[in-house]
Amino acid sequence: EIVLTQSPGTLSLSPGERATLSCRASQSVSSGYLAWYQQKLGQAPRLLIYGASTRATGIPDRFSGSGSGTDFTLTISRLEPEDFAVYHCQQYGSSPATFGQGTKVEIK
Amino acid sequence: EVQLVESGGGLVQPGGSLRLSCSASGFTFSTFVMHWVRQAPGKGLEYVSAITSEGSVKLYADSVKGRFTISRDNSRNTLYLQLSSLTSADTAVYYCVRKVSTYWYYDLWGRGTLATVSS
Repeated sequence: EIVLTQSPGTLSLSPGERATLSCRASQSVSSGYLAWYQQKLGQAPRLLIYGASTRATGIPDRFSGSGSGTDFTLTISRLEPEDFAVYHCQQYGSSPATFGQGTKVEIK
Repeated sequence: EVQLVESGGGLVQPGGSLRLSCSASGFTFSTFVMHWVRQAPGKGLEYVSAITSEGSVKLYADSVKGRFTISRDNSRNTLYLQLSSLTSADTAVYYCVRKVSTYWYYDLWGRGTLATVSS
């Protein structure tokens, strides 16, 4: 199965700053089948991005996804207070779908 | 409101059993493939089990095959996961998730229910 490694484990930033999160796969993710989820403490995870770069319904355009093959990136252009959370990547190009271990974006 | 609400978690001894439930509302539950995903403390998310919309096909991760049973009752808009022969490795928050129609990612998650296996 494909192993996803997210980095960094924790990202300490201030509101208004740019956040860049990495998700690296142990083998190529076919057709860019990669999703990103946001999880706030005590809340249900929320789909942000699918197909590596397509925003889900209702997701603000400050969130963007990019990448292909084995390297993918989630960028938050300007952090809002509500963006401080844990972010998970998931590949669904190979069965079973697998997740990274998560990146926590915390307030500096 | 479109939502999934899990229940049934708790503390259970090793070797014991637990039945998790997931109540769906706000959408036509019977038309969606549903999964369970879990997250152990300090670990990433992990696919556990899947069931087709009518319940005829059930799939399991190797780590739970033969011990967990997924089922659904479309008349009650409810998804279930029966956990048995539990070990400490099964301690996790269990999430009920809705799979999008064509691809294996999830567009709706519940808040999860915690199952703790400990003596």
